[in-house]
Amino acid sequence: GAVVSQHPSWVICKSGTSVKIECRSLDFQATTMFWYRQFPKQSLMLMATSNEGSKATYEQGVEKDKFLINHASLTLSTLTVTSAHPEDSSFYICSARGSPGEFRNTGELFFGEGSRLTVL
Amino acid sequence: AQSVTQLGSHVSVSEGALVLLRCNYSSSVPPYLFWYVQYPNQGLQLLLKYTTGATLVKGINGFEAEFKKSETSFHLTKPSAHMSDAAEYFCAVSEITGGYNKLIFGAGTRLAVHP
Repeated sequence: GAVVSQHPSWVICKSGTSVKIECRSLDFQATTMFWYRQFPKQSLMLMATSNEGSKATYEQGVEKDKFLINHASLTLSTLTVTSAHPEDSSFYICSARGSPGEFRNTGELFFGEGSRLTVL
Repeated sequence: AQSVTQLGSHVSVSEGALVLLRCNYSSSVPPYLFWYVQYPNQGLQLLLKYTTGATLVKGINGFEAEFKKSETSFHLTKPSAHMSDAAEYFCAVSEITGGYNKLIFGAGTRLAVHP
């Protein structure tokens, strides 16, 4: 159990276009999802925390208008990179917190496979 | 605020040798600690976690870690390295912020295993 899936795994787009990445919890309901960005050979940088039915909470320095996050259901969160530029090229990873009771108090997260964005 | 320090960004061992990846944390409250593994172009997979109870935690793929409060450490070990263990390993601590948990990751340690 506790499978998180991201789509697409790879995406290449032209500068100025927008790209949407989906994150789905396949076998559990995720009230909270997290979006991370990872630069080559570096650790994960938390971008934002997404709670179902409410606005995302962004980390300091992350542009809200650039990285739009929507968490419309308990199994789906989306990250839209708007007007993408080459510097937005990165590996984006989502994660979800598992069902309450077992995971909520420990913070364990389940991660998607990641989405590699390349902006030309 | 909590933080995680992983000593050694790169570790190289021979196949069959002991693996030791170091992790130290800072926390003002009893921490929840995790080790994740990341293979190239993939997400993170949980190896093991410490919440409460036994301080020696066993995880998948033969890995284990010991929580040492006095040393604020949570080092990851495996008695005998396998080629398939080559990957990036991240230590993380759970932080409660604004009423919810989020993970704070260390910088990661890349493990190389050579024949």
